[in-house]
Amino acid sequence: DAGVTQSPTHLIKTRGQQVTLRCSPKSGHDTVSWYQQALGQGPQFIFQYYEEEERQRGNFPDRFSGHQFPNYSSELNVNALLLGDSALYLCASYRLRLANSPLHFGNGTRLTVT
Amino acid sequence: GIQVEQSPPDLILQEGANSTLRCNFSDSVNNLQWFHQNPWGQLINLFYIPSGTKQNGRLSATTVATERYSLLYISSSQTTDSGVYFCAVEEGSGNTGKLIFGQGTTLQVKP
Repeated sequence: DAGVTQSPTHLIKTRGQQVTLRCSPKSGHDTVSWYQQALGQGPQFIFQYYEEEERQRGNFPDRFSGHQFPNYSSELNVNALLLGDSALYLCASYRLRLANSPLHFGNGTRLTVT
Repeated sequence: GIQVEQSPPDLILQEGANSTLRCNFSDSVNNLQWFHQNPWGQLINLFYIPSGTKQNGRLSATTVATERYSLLYISSSQTTDSGVYFCAVEEGSGNTGKLIFGQGTTLQVKP
């Protein structure tokens, strides 16, 4: 039973560029959330996708956008990268309609913006 | 929004010692999870524990929802227990899946 998988594991980009990160949820899960974890901080919620639509959004600018595909996998896109976007990006999945469904996290993508 | 505070921020133990990590939260919650983040960044579920007590090997957790706190106990600590421990609570009613994380407790277990 595959858990949450993310790609790539590491990425280096230059300021102003755009980046796409990918996530496949755990088998049986239909909802994907994205989190940003800056160094020394706890993860912060970016947004959540269910039924291919953005369901909730945290306090992040429109430069951060996403998509969910019919197979429940998801992408996170960040445009016009800033140095402050350097962080570990974590994807989490769960089953929305199942009560007491804990979130499971992937190993993350470490993004460095130079 | 919900505030989550963890204590202590840092903890250094000798292998074999026991420890208690605390998580306070500012509002009633439907979901509380404890995670361990290893040095490679992997965030691992330890407990899903909105209330009551659970045990898994050397780890156990207790959440007293009415008093808005949760405790994580680590007994007979091992060097592999090192890393950051996060408490996270679910914001909103129902199964929102939006977790609010504390700042974490960084644990170092020395051999």
